[in-house]
Amino acid sequence: KQEVTQIPAALSVPEGENLVLNCSFTDSAIYNLQWFRQDPGKGLTSLLLIQSSQREQTSGRLNASLDKSSGRSTLYIAASQPGDSATYLCAVEETSGSRLTFGEGTQLTVNP
Amino acid sequence: GAVVSQHPSRVICKSGTSVKIECRSLDFQATTMFWYRQFPKKSLMLMATSNEGSKATYEQGVEKDKFLINHASLTLSTLTVTSAHPEDSSFYICSASDLWTSVVDEQFFGPGTRLTVL
Repeated sequence: KQEVTQIPAALSVPEGENLVLNCSFTDSAIYNLQWFRQDPGKGLTSLLLIQSSQREQTSGRLNASLDKSSGRSTLYIAASQPGDSATYLCAVEETSGSRLTFGEGTQLTVNP
Repeated sequence: GAVVSQHPSRVICKSGTSVKIECRSLDFQATTMFWYRQFPKKSLMLMATSNEGSKATYEQGVEKDKFLINHASLTLSTLTVTSAHPEDSSFYICSASDLWTSVVDEQFFGPGTRLTVL
């Protein structure tokens, strides 16, 4: 059974700092991995999707990497801003069209 | 990106009543829709997977007679919580994907529905 773990559970940083969020999964046979952002009481916003054949994806200040063989992904946020404060979730899809298995998220607070 | 809506965004009901939540894909055809439940400060737990025109596949431990899922069209799926009780209070989120045309099987999430059962 696939299990997804995110470390740390919570992170508080000053504005402007670069930071890394970690995600690990137990079964490396995945189809893709997604990073999401969730604001309190809201739904999920997709940030980046990495297919199993890819090693990284970039969007603006965000960069996500994937090391499938070791079962790890990282989300790098450059020059953090207070507006980045949210919970970040990673999720893996094991086969095409199948369920997403989510980690418990990292709650990020960026202090002005 | 693709847009998924949910209605209502928030509902409060009395114990014993039934509540219907709608999930719509606004600008694409959703061959598959997923229903998740999220407890406070916890991650999303998949409840069921529904494909258009067929019966939903429920996850272990989810009562199919309590959580009725209908996916009658390519743009609409509904979740009905029957005879709701306080323990059913939660945040329900749907997602949708178009497996016919999508290259990467990305799931697009709705904004969620907060259900409170008194």
